[in-house]
Amino acid sequence: GAVVSQHPSWVICKSGTSVKIECRSLDFQATTMFWYRQFPKQSLMLMATSNEGSKATYEQGVEKDKFLINHASLTLSTLTVTSAHPEDSSFYICSARQRVHTEAFFGQGTRLTVV
Amino acid sequence: GDSVTQMEGPVTLSEEAFLTINCTYTATGYPSLFWYVQYPGEGLQLLLKATKADDKGSNKGFEATYRKETTSFHLEKGSVQVSDSAVYFCALSDLVSNFGNEKLTFGTGTRLTIIP
Repeated sequence: GAVVSQHPSWVICKSGTSVKIECRSLDFQATTMFWYRQFPKQSLMLMATSNEGSKATYEQGVEKDKFLINHASLTLSTLTVTSAHPEDSSFYICSARQRVHTEAFFGQGTRLTVV
Repeated sequence: GDSVTQMEGPVTLSEEAFLTINCTYTATGYPSLFWYVQYPGEGLQLLLKATKADDKGSNKGFEATYRKETTSFHLEKGSVQVSDSAVYFCALSDLVSNFGNEKLTFGTGTRLTIIP
C-alpha cells in the first residue's frame, strides 16, 4: 500500500508553546488528508478534514484557532497545536487519500505530551 | 450519531488459538464496515472491509461478516500467530449520516498479544 509518514513520532513540549506535526504522502498525491486524535482508552476521533488548497473542515467541538491545519501541497499537511496545555496531550494520527471513494492510508501517529 | 463498540483488551492468546474480537455498531444509514490493524511503530492498515449486509471481508486468514440483524462485524481468525500481535480497530463509514462525507468512526481498539 501507499506510504504516509508522520513526524515527529513523539514530542514533549512546555505548556503555552506551539507544536507542529507533519503528515506527508510519500508516493502519491493526496487531495484529502484527515487528522484524528486518540485519548487513552478512547476511540480515534476525527478532528478535521483538509483538502489541498482550501480551508480545513473541523468537526464539532474542535477549536480551529487552537488546532491549525494547513494543506498547502498535495503531499504535505501540517497540524499546529497552538498554546498547548496538558489537556492537549494525546495521540494524533493523520491519514491521506488520493481521490474520493479510495482507501485512506494512515501515518504512524504522533504522541504529544505537554508538561 | 454513529458509534462503534469494540471489546476491551488487552487480549492475550497462545499461538494457534482461535481469535474473536467483538465489534458492534450504531449507524443511521447503511454503513461500510472495516477492520484496521496497527503493528508496533506503524500506521493503521486496512485489514478487511465489507460494504453491505451479509458480505464477508477476509484477508491474511482473518474474516468478518457484516451482520445487519445484530449490527455486528466480529473479527475472527482460526489460528493466530505471534506476528498477529497488534492493535485492531473496528470502524464504520456512513455516507448517509455524514451527508456524503466518507469520514471513519472508530472503536477504541483492542490490543492483541500472541505468546509462543
